[in-house]
Amino acid sequence: ETGVTQTPRHLVMGMTNKKSLKCEQHLGHNAMYWYKQSAKKPLELMFVYSLEERVENNSVPSRFSPECPNSSHLFLHLHTLQPEDSALYLCASSQVQGIGYEQYFGPGTRLTVT
Amino acid sequence: RKEVEQDPGPFNVPEGATVAFNCTYSNSASQSFFWYRQDCRKEPKLLMSVYSSGNEDGRFTAQLNRASQYISLLIRDSKLSDSATYLCVVPEGSARQLTFGSGTQLTVLP
Repeated sequence: ETGVTQTPRHLVMGMTNKKSLKCEQHLGHNAMYWYKQSAKKPLELMFVYSLEERVENNSVPSRFSPECPNSSHLFLHLHTLQPEDSALYLCASSQVQGIGYEQYFGPGTRLTVT
Repeated sequence: RKEVEQDPGPFNVPEGATVAFNCTYSNSASQSFFWYRQDCRKEPKLLMSVYSSGNEDGRFTAQLNRASQYISLLIRDSKLSDSATYLCVVPEGSARQLTFGSGTQLTVLP
């Protein structure tokens, strides 16, 4: 495996379900990110894990819970979601050093909440 | 002022045309900038990084004007495969976070 991988690629879940999205990066990077991309809207940063520190967007509802067990793996735990949470969820990684920190994205998980 | 603001699209141009997109940003402390392209229903992919006044890679040229706080992307000799949404990306806050513009859609017509 190379780059950034995400599973599952597609997910349909009911509002009472609990599911988790998984991301793995094979680039040796030290930071990982979760983004949400809704139709016709810019990418919205949800969570950052960098050098074992977590930064979060305060507007993200508590029904989204991230977990980063190590620098290569990132999870997004989902519970009691709403239909408006249907979106493309993208994981990214970067090497934070100096002024250069290009982010590389995984293919995303397309989530539909019914 | 929005943190990152891009030209409204869509841009429809014929094959072979030259097209330019502009992007303005509000964080005057930003030192690096990026252009990503995103194909329909796919993830964003890094196109170019800009650390100084500009960068050139084949048919693509990015220029940075720090005084006016804007970045441009020029595409020469457009190909059908250039059709995509182009995202202007600017660091925001700490070095770990990037702010994405809403994107400019380009369609290159045969």
